[in-house]
Amino acid sequence: GAGVSQSPRYKVTKRGQDVALRCDPISGHVSLYWYRQALGQGPEFLTYFNYEAQQDKSGLPNDRFSAERPEGSISTLTIQRTEQRDSAMYRCASSPGAPGPYEQYFGPGTRLTVT
Amino acid sequence: AQKVTQAQTEISVVEKEDVTLDCVYETRDTTYYLFWYKQPPSGELVFLIRRNSFDEQNEISGRYSWNFQKSTSSFNFTITASQVVDSAVYFCALSEERGSTLGRLYFGRGTQLTVWP
Repeated sequence: GAGVSQSPRYKVTKRGQDVALRCDPISGHVSLYWYRQALGQGPEFLTYFNYEAQQDKSGLPNDRFSAERPEGSISTLTIQRTEQRDSAMYRCASSPGAPGPYEQYFGPGTRLTVT
Repeated sequence: AQKVTQAQTEISVVEKEDVTLDCVYETRDTTYYLFWYKQPPSGELVFLIRRNSFDEQNEISGRYSWNFQKSTSSFNFTITASQVVDSAVYFCALSEERGSTLGRLYFGRGTQLTVWP
């Protein structure tokens, strides 16, 4: 079956612009996670959803970052007034169960470059 | 404090050698889960294994094996008879079961494995 998909795969934007990153999880997966991965580092947690409810957003770096999952399926991570330090790979993952220690299946990521 | 430490930044081996990737974790929870993921040059993150804290039995899957030792808080990964296709960055991760961070994965910084022909 289809895995987690993310779009766009690459995004180059100018400092100060807003960007929206999309994640389409595996069909039927209840939980959806966003991570950010800097070059040479492991992914760092940003936020997660159980169905449409955002259960934990403590990993979001500041209030320029927000995420939604209005119908419990596709999710959008929005970064307002982008800064160069926001440049990273943004990864989305989904898992079949309610938030818990289940394996998470990752999408290909969106490489964001802020110039 | 780093919850997952992968002290080996890079490892190079020649094909057919065995190689062990180290992972040390830190948690106060009695129930937790450990994972390994593979990130090949193409960039995706591929799930390899999940173990819970109550199961210290070693696991073998083909050329891959995992050694979980609670006494040393380690969850090491061994590839036997390595192949060029094993070249990738390997990440160890921890998930705790406490309510406030349930489901969140804490990743180590990864170990870049290069297998030369």
